[in-house]
Order: sequence, then structure tokens, then C-alpha cells
Amino acid sequence: SQKIEQNSEALNIQEGKTATLTCNYTNYSPAYLQWYRQDPGRGPVFLLLIRENEKEKRKERLKVTFDTTLKQSLFHITASQPADSATYLCAPAQTGANNLFFGTGTRLTVIP
Amino acid sequence: DAGVIQSPRHEVTEMGQEVTLRCKPISGHNSLFWYRQTMMRGLELLIYFNNNVPIDDSGMPEDRFSAKMPNASFSTLKIQPSEPRDSAVYFCASSSGLSTGELFFGEGSRLTVL
Repeated sequence: SQKIEQNSEALNIQEGKTATLTCNYTNYSPAYLQWYRQDPGRGPVFLLLIRENEKEKRKERLKVTFDTTLKQSLFHITASQPADSATYLCAPAQTGANNLFFGTGTRLTVIP
Repeated sequence: DAGVIQSPRHEVTEMGQEVTLRCKPISGHNSLFWYRQTMMRGLELLIYFNNNVPIDDSGMPEDRFSAKMPNASFSTLKIQPSEPRDSAVYFCASSSGLSTGELFFGEGSRLTVL
């Protein structure tokens, strides 16, 4: 069955460092992958989408990579700030598939 | 646009009672999704609609759960009868229906079944 795993439940890093979150998937051949941010008591919010033919995508301090051979996506936040503290969710999907399944999420805490 | 609107935000009920959660998607979006989130299982897709038609309800846990979308601006998720294990946060999301369209989530309905 399809499985989406994110590296760890919780990740603590020092302010100013780069946070790296991992999303691994099995029994999937996604054509694209989305990343979302969720704050406590709120719904997830879309951050970035990367397609299978894109190795890397950047948006301000965010960078996402997509390795279809390793079946893995990495999500980086450079120069991290306490305001980046949140849970981050990945969602790989097939082209034309309207349904979107999410990983378990990684709770990031940036320590001042 | 006000975004996806869900009600109620919080619901506390007793086991055996009927629960109805409501969702108003973003105007113009033609796909609507219901998710359930718990600490143990994360964010689970329950059902999604395309142009008001249920496309995939394989995530609905059991017959006690039902969802409807009578028109493009309104959907309900009903649990009857409710059980303590149904306690969770239920999210509604909508999208434009494009194959890579991002999902816009509501703020969720936190359900507690005693």
C-alpha cells in the first residue's frame, strides 16, 4: 500500500541554522509533490509545489528538492526564525489525481 | 474571499448523538475534500467531491459517516451515531480542480465525543 513518511515527529534547531525536513514515499510514482505548513489550531497552508521533472524549487528562504530515484523530497528552511516553528506536511500526488494524501508531518521548533 | 468556512469550530457531544459538520468552499472551486486529523493517524482523507459529485469515499471509516454536497457552495459531513473514537479535528478543503491545484483548508471543526 502507499506510504508517506516524514523523517521525525519533531525537530529542534537553533535560530539562524538551516532546517532540513525529509519526506519519503513508497509504492508511489508521484508526478508532483506539495508542501504545507500547519500552525497549532489552524488548517494547513500551501507553501510550495515541485514537479517530477524539477530537481529543485526555491521560494524566499525555502528550498525543496525532489529525487524520484530515491523516492524522497527534502524541504529546507535557511536562516531559520522562531516564526518558522510549525508542523510541515508533504503530499505527493499523481497527475490528474484530485485526491491528496499527506505525510504524518514534522513539528519544527526554532529556538531563539 | 473569506476562504473556506467551517462550522462549528468546536463541538462537544455525547456518544450516540448525531453530529453534523458544515463547510462552505471558496467560490469558484469545484473540488471539495473532507479530512480528519488525529495525533495517532495524522491527516486522513475521508472523501472528496468534484463538481458536487462524490468521487472517492474509500476513506470514510464506516457507515456511520456520510457526506453530501447538495450544491457548489455547501457540504456536510454527518456522523450518526457518534462514538468517542470519532473525536478529532475535521478539516474541509477546496481547490480549483486543476491537476496540481493547491488545497485551501478551513480552520477545522474540533469534535469531542464523550
